Amino acid sequence: QQPVQSPQAVILREGEDAVINCSSSKALYSVHWYRQKHGEAPVFLMILLKGGEQKGHEKISASFNEKKQQSSLYLTASQLSYSGTYFCGTGSSNSGYALNFGKGTSLLVTP
Amino acid sequence: DGGITQSPKYLFRKEGQNVTLSCEQNLNHDAMYWYRQDPGQGLRLIYYSQIVNDFQKGDIAEGYSVSREKKESFPLTVTSAQKNPTAFYLCASSIGIGDTQYFGPGTRLTVL
Repeated sequence: QQPVQSPQAVILREGEDAVINCSSSKALYSVHWYRQKHGEAPVFLMILLKGGEQKGHEKISASFNEKKQQSSLYLTASQLSYSGTYFCGTGSSNSGYALNFGKGTSLLVTP
Repeated sequence: DGGITQSPKYLFRKEGQNVTLSCEQNLNHDAMYWYRQDPGQGLRLIYYSQIVNDFQKGDIAEGYSVSREKKESFPLTVTSAQKNPTAFYLCASSIGIGDTQYFGPGTRLTVL
């Protein structure tokens, strides 16, 4: 079953912040975040494992609340290069730990 | 260079024909996956394989078949039983199930 991502789409001005949420009805072992540019393959951003950790590099970070079965991706001081579609992929024992991906959040950063 | 290759990039077939999509990786990964991507639907898992000679159905396996005879290769056959095969197909691999997945460039299949 696909995790639910929100919002479906967001438009930002360069320098603004955004939060993308991912929630699942299953108990999660891991959450993976990817970004895909149009017509290209998804590119890995980060993985979070159960334990409520928060990860990040530069201006993109993420949190994982295992009890709520939710993860959030934080983009701060957005850059034009952040534009794309963001997917969360969730792993659980129900699926043999193979990832189930959400429908994606389309992010457009404008000058 | 290590990576995942998919060929061809674009593929056209007539309705009723089976077609096989290629996926090769030289990352020495045990796990491989096939996803289908349609506009607004995200990535939906078709099949995955944890190890050679073993594979599992994903969420939308009907009308598809796979084989995993070699560690490096995980071809996907789209059969005539697949009712709406036109889509973008992505192959991925990871060290093991649940690990970070690395994606190939994709094959866009159009059935006429």
